[in-house]
Amino acid sequence: ELKVEQNPLFLSMQEGKNYTIYCNYSTTSDRLYWYRQDPGKSLESLFVLLSNGAVKQEGRLMASLDTKARLSTLHITAAVHDLSATYFCAVNNNAGNNRKLIWGLGTSLAVNP
Amino acid sequence: NAGVTQTPKFRILKIGQSMTLQCTQDMNHNYMYWYRQDPGMGLKLIYYSVGAGITDKGEVPNGYNVSRSTTEDFPLRLELAAPSQTSVYFCASSRGDTQYFGPGTRLTVL
Repeated sequence: ELKVEQNPLFLSMQEGKNYTIYCNYSTTSDRLYWYRQDPGKSLESLFVLLSNGAVKQEGRLMASLDTKARLSTLHITAAVHDLSATYFCAVNNNAGNNRKLIWGLGTSLAVNP
Repeated sequence: NAGVTQTPKFRILKIGQSMTLQCTQDMNHNYMYWYRQDPGMGLKLIYYSVGAGITDKGEVPNGYNVSRSTTEDFPLRLELAAPSQTSVYFCASSRGDTQYFGPGTRLTVL
């Protein structure tokens, strides 16, 4: 059974600092996703990582994937308050093309002045 | 494009009542999904559909039913509501890898 674990689950950081969120998954998968959710809002796609060694960057966020280690990281550079949100990773269960995703519990990020 | 729309936004049900959560997308996506999100938790897939007339169970289908008569619509039916179904429900659609989410329906069962 595919399990997805994120850590930390809660993260409070100062503006201007760097930090990394980790996403581990338990069985082979061919796709990993990062989503953002603002409080009381819907989910917004950030990154889709499709292959080993994939790296994608958008603004102050950079995501990478190591399929051999079954690990993805979401690195935050010089955090700003606007990045405060919950970040979810999700993994395709690799059962054909049905796009069934297994989700982590989310990392709640608070960026403080 | 409105994207994915859901109605209602909020609903309170009594135990044993039934209701339908509506979901519509205008992006001509083949894939559609229903998730539930409990407080402090990730998303759990309830049902999904790969096209009109085709649906399948996700992780937590018990107590729910779906239908997909058109590409655009994917309603979720709750029969005999129970307190355990108190949650936020999200509908999503996709064609490629990215899923696009609706605004959610916050359901409370008392």
